[in-house]
Order: sequence, then C-alpha cells, then structure tokens
Amino acid sequence: DTGVSQNPRHKITKRGQNVTFRCDPISEHNRLYWYRQTLGQGPEFLTYFQNEAQLEKSRLLSDRFSAERPKGSFSTLEIQRTEQGDSAMYLCASSSPGRGVDGYTFGSGTRLTVV
Amino acid sequence: TQLLEQSPQFLSIQEGENLTVYCNSSSVFSSLQWYRQEPGEGPVLLVTVVTGGEVKKLKRLTFQFGDARKDSSLHITAAQTGDTGLYLCAGDVYNFNKFYFGSGTKLNVKP
Repeated sequence: DTGVSQNPRHKITKRGQNVTFRCDPISEHNRLYWYRQTLGQGPEFLTYFQNEAQLEKSRLLSDRFSAERPKGSFSTLEIQRTEQGDSAMYLCASSSPGRGVDGYTFGSGTRLTVV
Repeated sequence: TQLLEQSPQFLSIQEGENLTVYCNSSSVFSSLQWYRQEPGEGPVLLVTVVTGGEVKKLKRLTFQFGDARKDSSLHITAAQTGDTGLYLCAGDVYNFNKFYFGSGTKLNVKP
C-alpha cells in the first residue's frame, strides 16, 4: 500500500471556475477526512466519511463545496465558483476502524491557488 | 478561537540544543496526537497519547500528556537539522475521530 494519494498536487485556477480534487485513501481504512490548511495555520476540519456515508460537515464547508465518496473508496472534493479565499492546501486523511487512537494518515495535499 | 494553543509559534535553535514545545487547551481530550509537517507536504503522525500522565518516547523525542488530558508537551533532546519542521498537536474531543489542530510550532534547527 502506498499510503494516501491526492491528485493533483497543485492547481491554479481563475476565480469563478470549478475545481475537483481526488483522494485515494489507504485501502483498508473505512474513514476518510478532508481538511483545509492556510498559511501559518493548522489543518481545519471540513468533512468526513465512514464508508460512503458523509457523517459530518463543518460550517466552513459552504454551499459551493461538495464532497463525495460514491463507493466507499476514493473521494472527490469539488469547489464551485472558486474565490480567492479558497486558496489553501486541501488535505485528505484516512484512518482505520475503531477508536481514533491511531491518528490519521495524511496525503501530501492539493495546493489550490485562485487567481 | 483555537481549541488548542501551541507555544512557542516559532523556535530557532542551534543543533545539539534541547527544546520543549507546548500544546494547551481548556478542553479534555480523549486522545491527542503530535504530527510533524514539512513545507508542501501533509502532516506525518509522530505519536498518539491516550492516558492522562502518559509519557511516550520516540528516539530523541519525549511526549507527555497532562494528567487532566488537557495539555501536552514535546521535548526534543540534542536537536538535529533534520528535526526542522512544523510540529502540530491535534486533539479528539469526543472520541469521534475528528481532530482539532493547533496552529503549530515552526522549528528551525541551525547547523
């Protein structure tokens, strides 16, 4: 297993365009998380899935954001009508079943720049 | 308002020195993790602590969880240039596997 994979690594888009990011978690992990990290800050929780069910969404996730995990494997995060304030590193993480004591395995992130 | 406050925000030391960074909160955590992050990469898990008062060692790194499970510290002995990075603590408040992160301590170890 190669860990959590995120694509693309970098994305530059014009304001108003839609973007979609993909995350492939560790195969035996049934929980998948999306976080956003801006410069100088720690990651902020956006949403998480257990299998294909989206169990929680942060208030940070406005109506322009949508996440899916259709078959309980990979996940996509789409941002519609991007704004400059959306510029950030978008991190995906997965974890094994059971209690959270194992922490997360993070991917390398997708760096989004909205110009 | 951050749930977890980390201090100091920045730390620049010489190779060979010892250092301690702190992670504090008014909330009780069911578990707390420490991560290290390099520029342009995702955080990498270093350790998880669960029991109040717990001490874990990872080579030159010593992690302590406060008795009340509200705070934690990371001590590095004889820092090396390879220790340079952003150190993040993250707490799971409700044991729901959703972690709240601090803003991190940016450590620079100079040769």
